[in-house]
Amino acid sequence: GESVGLHLPTLSVQEGDNSIINCAYSNSASDYFIWYKQESGKGPQFIIDIRSNMDKRQGQRVTVLLNKTVKHLSLQIAATQPGDSAVYFCAENTGGFKTIFGAGTRLFVKA
Amino acid sequence: GAVVSQHPSWVICKSGTSVKIECRSLDFQATTMFWYRQFPKQSLMLMATSNEGSKATYEQGVEKDKFLINHASLTLSTLTVTSAHPEDSSFYICSARDPIGRGGEQYFGPGTRLTVT
Repeated sequence: GESVGLHLPTLSVQEGDNSIINCAYSNSASDYFIWYKQESGKGPQFIIDIRSNMDKRQGQRVTVLLNKTVKHLSLQIAATQPGDSAVYFCAENTGGFKTIFGAGTRLFVKA
Repeated sequence: GAVVSQHPSWVICKSGTSVKIECRSLDFQATTMFWYRQFPKQSLMLMATSNEGSKATYEQGVEKDKFLINHASLTLSTLTVTSAHPEDSSFYICSARDPIGRGGEQYFGPGTRLTVT
């Protein structure tokens, strides 16, 4: 299988602050991108997605930014809460329905 | 929202035995399901794509004879780990694609923790 990275970088933020999680994707042909949240011992949970014809999409407390020029994706979480502590994965899809996951970032929220 | 279930949620087996993991889409018909494997502190690695009524498509490096996939109905795919060894111990996660709802979004199961002793 394909994936990027074998170790999880960590981001530690204070409760109430904004979090920014970054991801570099690998395939310039990818046209659909998704952010997932995974808590310990559970499957990935959908957070937000964006198609390649957009560069920004907002949800509730979350914003995804896409920069196709440098193949970069970011997830912004506003007013981070303890319940946001988890591992966050970006994923890309090239239209063939296969979803390929990036390396992931572990988010710690300090109370 | 759509729900995907997996059974069992965890299993311990002895080396050399086979283990079957089930993945079910509970409220939609999934023509395509996917199987992932996740080792501790690592990302999800796609193992194979399971298509209803046809053979699964395996990713490079995944042994098709060791990881048998059957997608016999639109709501059920099974992954059988044959002749399991300790290095097969991992977290196995399935996902199912809803071809009708939400533009084909994938929904993930809760995962199955396999420990081979």
